[in-house]
Amino acid sequence: ETGVTQSPTHLIKTRGQQVTLRCSSQSGHNTVSWYQQALGQGPQFIFQYYREEENGRGNFPPRFSGLQFPNYSSELNVNALELDDSALYLCASSPTPGTESGYTFGSGTRLTVV
Amino acid sequence: QKEVEQDPGPLSVPEGAIVSLNCTYSNSAFQYFMWYRQYSRKGPELLMYTYSSGNKEDGRFTAQVDKSSKYISLFIRDSQPSDSATYLCAMRVSGGGADGLTFGKGTHLIIQP
Repeated sequence: ETGVTQSPTHLIKTRGQQVTLRCSSQSGHNTVSWYQQALGQGPQFIFQYYREEENGRGNFPPRFSGLQFPNYSSELNVNALELDDSALYLCASSPTPGTESGYTFGSGTRLTVV
Repeated sequence: QKEVEQDPGPLSVPEGAIVSLNCTYSNSAFQYFMWYRQYSRKGPELLMYTYSSGNKEDGRFTAQVDKSSKYISLFIRDSQPSDSATYLCAMRVSGGGADGLTFGKGTHLIIQP
């Protein structure tokens, strides 16, 4: 299967709960990055994983955490959800870190916190 | 002041017109510049990628980077209704990608048939 796939597509959670979002990277891509896109805003960098290690992080608190698996798929976990966490969460994969020509985004998971 | 400024629009132009989209930035360390197109309910799609200053052309799209003015542009020639989307500029400091991309807010473009 080609392209980046994310699941679920939509999710509603209650404030204080925890959520796990999943991403399957494009075939041949070993680097995964996660972004948060609030309504009417550009995406904001959360973190990047390369070969199962976090190798870069944006300005997000520790309750945002992640994993990358040996098959290069990835999870984003958010604990103690807040109303402001409501956003579109985007996963992007690339063949190596920083290869913009191969940076492919998924369609995202829309998270609503109520 | 935000690191990357982009007019959110909407920008509405007739079909066939030349479209000019722009971003300004404050961090002089940015070296890698990109333009993404995002349709409603979809992820961003890379249109153009430029390293440092200069011009790059790909079909109907031309990207310009002026690092001395901290200003980047995307031109779309012979605009089509299918070009209607949100256009995001993005930039990065390092080649390794560990600092992630810094995006503008996006400009909502409408091409009128």
